[in-house]
Amino acid sequence: EAGVAQSPRYKIIEKRQSVAFWCNPISGHATLYWYQQILGQGPKLLIQFQNNGVVDDSQLPKDRFSAERLKGVDSTLKIQPAKLEDSAVYLCASSLLLRGGYAEQFFGPGTRLTVL
Amino acid sequence: GESVGLHLPTLSVQEGDNSIINCAYSNSASDYFIWYKQESGKGPQFIIDIRSNMDKRQGQRVTVLLNKTVKHLSLQIAATQPGDSAVYFCAEILTYKYIFGTGTRLKVLA
Repeated sequence: EAGVAQSPRYKIIEKRQSVAFWCNPISGHATLYWYQQILGQGPKLLIQFQNNGVVDDSQLPKDRFSAERLKGVDSTLKIQPAKLEDSAVYLCASSLLLRGGYAEQFFGPGTRLTVL
Repeated sequence: GESVGLHLPTLSVQEGDNSIINCAYSNSASDYFIWYKQESGKGPQFIIDIRSNMDKRQGQRVTVLLNKTVKHLSLQIAATQPGDSAVYFCAEILTYKYIFGTGTRLKVLA
């Protein structure tokens, strides 16, 4: 079974520039998550989709971050404009539809963003 | 690949010894708890989980202990191997939301 795919793996930009990350979840996984992982910390949820609807975006800095999952499959996360503190690894994860209990999340390799 | 957690607490153990990694969680209402392993350049990988109504669960070479009184979770790895070297995170699940703790870097010494 193919895992969660993310691209690019690395990105270096200057502050105030824009950047976009792409995620392709595991086939059949209805739920998709974007996490931000700052060096030395655990992943922090930015946004969670169930199919193409947003379930939780309470920790997404909406003035500069946006995400979409138009057809309920692939997703993109955008930052515009980037700040120095956005330097982090951006992880995408997917899981089967949540039905009681919890659904195991499968993570992609992440995109490491460096903002100069 | 990129490094995860250069400034994390580090636990160094001799190969073959047992490792114990600890985690404090914050929400007494959390339903499940999960341990993840994250190797450099990779995303977190599920190791073992435990439901909040249990206090111990065993897997292959790993045991998770849950102490709800003090909101503490631990991961025990038996006969630690070089391949166990990674950063380990605990996560609590509260109404389907994952909340990750600060990780611990495990270094296995040959």
